[in-house]
Order: sequence, then C-alpha cells, then structure tokens
Amino acid sequence: QKEVEQNSGPLSVPEGAIASLNCTYSDRGSQSFFWYRQYSGKSPELIMFIYSNGDKEDGRFTAQLNKASQYVSLLIRDSQPSDSATYLCAVESGGYQKVTFGIGTKLQVIP
Amino acid sequence: GAVVSQHPSWVICKSGTSVKIECRSLDFQATTMFWYRQFPKQSLMLMATSNEGSKATYEQGVEKDKFLINHASLTLSTLTVTSAHPEDSSFYICGGMDSYEQYFGPGTRLTVT
Repeated sequence: QKEVEQNSGPLSVPEGAIASLNCTYSDRGSQSFFWYRQYSGKSPELIMFIYSNGDKEDGRFTAQLNKASQYVSLLIRDSQPSDSATYLCAVESGGYQKVTFGIGTKLQVIP
Repeated sequence: GAVVSQHPSWVICKSGTSVKIECRSLDFQATTMFWYRQFPKQSLMLMATSNEGSKATYEQGVEKDKFLINHASLTLSTLTVTSAHPEDSSFYICGGMDSYEQYFGPGTRLTVT
C-alpha cells in the first residue's frame, strides 16, 4: 500500500521563525508532490507543488524534494500566526492523477 | 488557482434518507473529479474517482451502491449518499483536476441523526 508519512505534531514555532514540515513517501515511482494547508473546519487549499528534485520557492514558502531519499519538505519563512493550520503532504501515486494524503502536521505559530 | 464549488456546505438529515452533494468546477473543465471523506483529526480518504461520461471508480471498502456518483458534464459531479446512517456523518470534499494540480471544493459537512 502506498503511504505518505507525516508527523502529526503539533509543531510550535515563534512568530518570525522558520517552520519546517517534513514528509516521506513509499512509492518510488511518484512524480508529483503537493502541499496543502487546511484550516480547522475548512477544505484544503493548494499552496505548493513540486515535480523536480531540488528547491522551489514561492514567496515565504519553499518546497524541497529529494526523490532518492523519498522525502519532501515545506519551509515557511517569517512564520505568522495566520500560518497556524494543518499542512497536508500529498503524493501522486499510481498515475491516473490520484494522490495519497498524509495525516497532516498541525503547525502553531506563537505570537 | 482554479475554483471548485460544492453545495450544500452543510446538511443534517435523518437516518435512512438520501442526500445529494454537488461539485462544480467554475473556471475550468474537470475531466476527472475525486470524492473524499474526512473524519475528525484524520486525513482525506479517497472514496472514488469520477470521470465525465463514465462510471466512477471506487476505492476498496467504499460501497458503490451506497455512494452513488454521477459525473454528468465536464463541470459537474454529484455524490448521493443513499440510506444514510449516523456513521456516514463526515466532511465530504470533492476535488477537480486542472492540468496536474488538484483543487478542492469547500466541503460539505453531513450530519445524520
């Protein structure tokens, strides 16, 4: 069974710090990787996607992918209290545009 | 990003009744839509993959006769929960594919009493 592993947290960081969220996956053939943010009671919203090894930056967010280690991470710079949410890692698995989600890491940014 | 709408946003129904949830892609055509269910403090669990004009593909353990999916057009997919029971109470979320990214509707919170 294809799996996506995340630490459920909570991960607490002070305001202005860098939050580092990690994810590992089991399907070595996966090609597409996504990070979603989900506020309590709301549906997930896509914040980053990455397909190639290395880093991809978008504003305060940086996604990092290492296919050899089957590891994808999300860095949030200058963390704000509004970043407090659950961050879901999603990995395309088995083709057909299906993705498998991790359980999510709850991030708490302390003012 | 692409916009997906869902209706209703919440519904309360009595045990044994059926509930229909609509999912629409507003600014793109979604050949494929996905239906998920999320229980409290758990991640999204894929229920089925819906393709326009064909039968949905259900994940293992999901009863296709209970969760009826109709993908009538490139912008509309519906999920009908038939003979709902309290254990079907959950947050149902649809997702539509725009290019290679999946975008989610706002979700429908179903409570079966």
